Amino acid sequence: QVHLVESGGGVVQPGRSLRLSCAASGFTFSNYGMHWVRQPPGKGLEWVAVIWYDGSNKYYADSVKGRFTISRDNSKNTLYLQMNSLRAEDTAVYYCARDEVGKLLFWGQGMLVTVSS
Amino acid sequence: DIVMTQTPLSLSVTPGQPASISCKSSQSLLHSDGKTYLYWYLQKPGQSPQLLIYEVSNRFSGVPDRFSGSGSGTDFTLKISRVEAEDVGVYYCMQSIQLPPITFGQGTRLEIK
Repeated sequence: QVHLVESGGGVVQPGRSLRLSCAASGFTFSNYGMHWVRQPPGKGLEWVAVIWYDGSNKYYADSVKGRFTISRDNSKNTLYLQMNSLRAEDTAVYYCARDEVGKLLFWGQGMLVTVSS
Repeated sequence: DIVMTQTPLSLSVTPGQPASISCKSSQSLLHSDGKTYLYWYLQKPGQSPQLLIYEVSNRFSGVPDRFSGSGSGTDFTLKISRVEAEDVGVYYCMQSIQLPPITFGQGTRLEIK
């Protein structure tokens, strides 16, 4: 059974950094690309970033490019999102999701990040 | 970026009645591999999004057959033949033919009358 569990969220001041983790289980993590998607409170879904199964390619939304870094450790079955220079508009629930030939098939339960002074 | 436009943004439906949601993309979602990279998700209250339909019209495992998807190119539709109480939530269309970025529609909120 596929399981994705995000952690590392919380309240952080503007301009500071935070790292989210997504622990994967129930499947061969190193075989799948992984995404981060976020959802501001009461709003819709916004794709954030993707990383290829082997980490060879990474792509970002323009809104986070240069500030966020997606990475993975296949030996630990874990996906990461390093978020630097955080802004109030980065406040959202962050989901990790497993890629399957273009579709986001499995999603974590989400982790709230609040950027506020 | 491909813009996904959903209509309506909200629906109020009597149980047992049909519902329909439209999704239009700013570019064709038909890939040279023959697939159309259009998906439908439902986000129930307090939950993560769940996949309903993939590649326009294929129901994901366990999705009731009252859900159906249709369309081609840039125009797509999600239909619920008979709405049930458990169908409440926000429905999103999503495209992944162009990456980056993957883009979602604004969402359509379905409530029960």
